Amino acid sequence: EAQVTQNPRYLITVTGKKLTVTCSQNMNHEYMSWYRQDPGLGLRQIYYSMNVEVTDKGDVPEGYKVSRKEKRNFPLILESPSPNQTSLYFCASSLFQGSGQPQHFGDGTRLSIL
Amino acid sequence: SQQGEEDPQALSIQEGENATMNCSYKTSINNLQWYRQNSGRGLVHLILIRSNEREKHSGRLRVTLDTSKKSSSLLITASRAADTASYFCATVTYNFNKFYFGSGTKLNVKP
Repeated sequence: EAQVTQNPRYLITVTGKKLTVTCSQNMNHEYMSWYRQDPGLGLRQIYYSMNVEVTDKGDVPEGYKVSRKEKRNFPLILESPSPNQTSLYFCASSLFQGSGQPQHFGDGTRLSIL
Repeated sequence: SQQGEEDPQALSIQEGENATMNCSYKTSINNLQWYRQNSGRGLVHLILIRSNEREKHSGRLRVTLDTSKKSSSLLITASRAADTASYFCATVTYNFNKFYFGSGTKLNVKP
């Protein structure tokens, strides 16, 4: 089944403790992206990747890191999480961005930073 | 910011009625997409309209795009209780790299 898989789905942690949210897609998609969703603000793009080893900042990249060493994986790293990063996070992928392909979303990761 | 704005923020209708949601955005786009989200789940793509298109249909969905007014509308005809969800528009810039989502319209269809 074609899907985008995020782990963990839920995480409660404390300020400053490094964490990684994994994202994997099995559709051989070139484009992958991370979003955070906050009430009243919709989804905001954190980072995106056009292909392996090619990443770039979205609208709200501060406090986050990403890497794209393999086509299928695009982990989101919070090196020193803070309470303002408490949010619902989504990973998404699309075949390629050359013609504005629709994105496929994972089911989300709810992070709480205390 | 390019971020779109949906209007209304919330909409409550009876089953069988039509639901119309609007989206406005700020800068030039390559295409505009509508997504649906059920209660904190991942978004699901509904329909894409390119900047050179004015109207598009898919089943009970009708999307219009007016690039001169920088606005789009999503019409769901003959709504069902199962259509209850949040609906988001997303604009894609000409370099295709970035997606900008609006804050969403929460639709409640009462049986």
